Amino acid sequence: KAGVTQTPRYLIKTRGQQVTLSCSPISGHRSVSWYQQTPGQGLQFLFEYFSETQRNKGNFPGRFSGRQFSNSRSEMNVSTLELGDSALYLCASSPGLAGVQDTQYFGPGTRLTVL
Amino acid sequence: GIQVEQSPPDLILQEGANSTLRCNFSDSVNNLQWFHQNPWGQLINLFYIPSGTKQNGRLSATTVATERYSLLYISSSQTTDSGVYFCAATYNQGGKLIFGQGTELSVKP
Repeated sequence: KAGVTQTPRYLIKTRGQQVTLSCSPISGHRSVSWYQQTPGQGLQFLFEYFSETQRNKGNFPGRFSGRQFSNSRSEMNVSTLELGDSALYLCASSPGLAGVQDTQYFGPGTRLTVL
Repeated sequence: GIQVEQSPPDLILQEGANSTLRCNFSDSVNNLQWFHQNPWGQLINLFYIPSGTKQNGRLSATTVATERYSLLYISSSQTTDSGVYFCAATYNQGGKLIFGQGTELSVKP
């Protein structure tokens, strides 16, 4: 099976702009989760989508949003970018079902730089 | 809040040495995973191990759920083992992994 893919891999934006990142999960996986990694805060959970519904949410401001499509592909959007949003954004996919080993598999990440 | 703590934060080894990385978690877990982050940032799955012991080549892991800790063993380390090792846990159904701060391993030739 193909792994988790993320596009774009690198992105440079300026403060105040918005950005959309995309994640395609492993075929058959219904859960997609997003994480932000920064040197200061480490890896932090943003949100999880399962069957097009947000199932879990982390402690990030409303500028961070996401959605999931019927084919399980997910996008996350960050509006009104701030310098502190510069980070590696990782998505992970998993089966998402109770009673099933729910190993999360990560994509290669999108490295966002905000100038 | 729920916490995942890893130790040591840094580890320097000579090639061929063995090491043990520890992960403590503050509550019962549904899922516990170990990852290796490569220099390009990708998290590589090592183990899915909410309880028990597993082995994969030179790596093995043990989770003692009742005592809320997990250990990752690396034997006969190689320079390619260098990088950051993370453990992460979920506490409910779904994909909300809580990550530790990582152990940065450097293996010298």
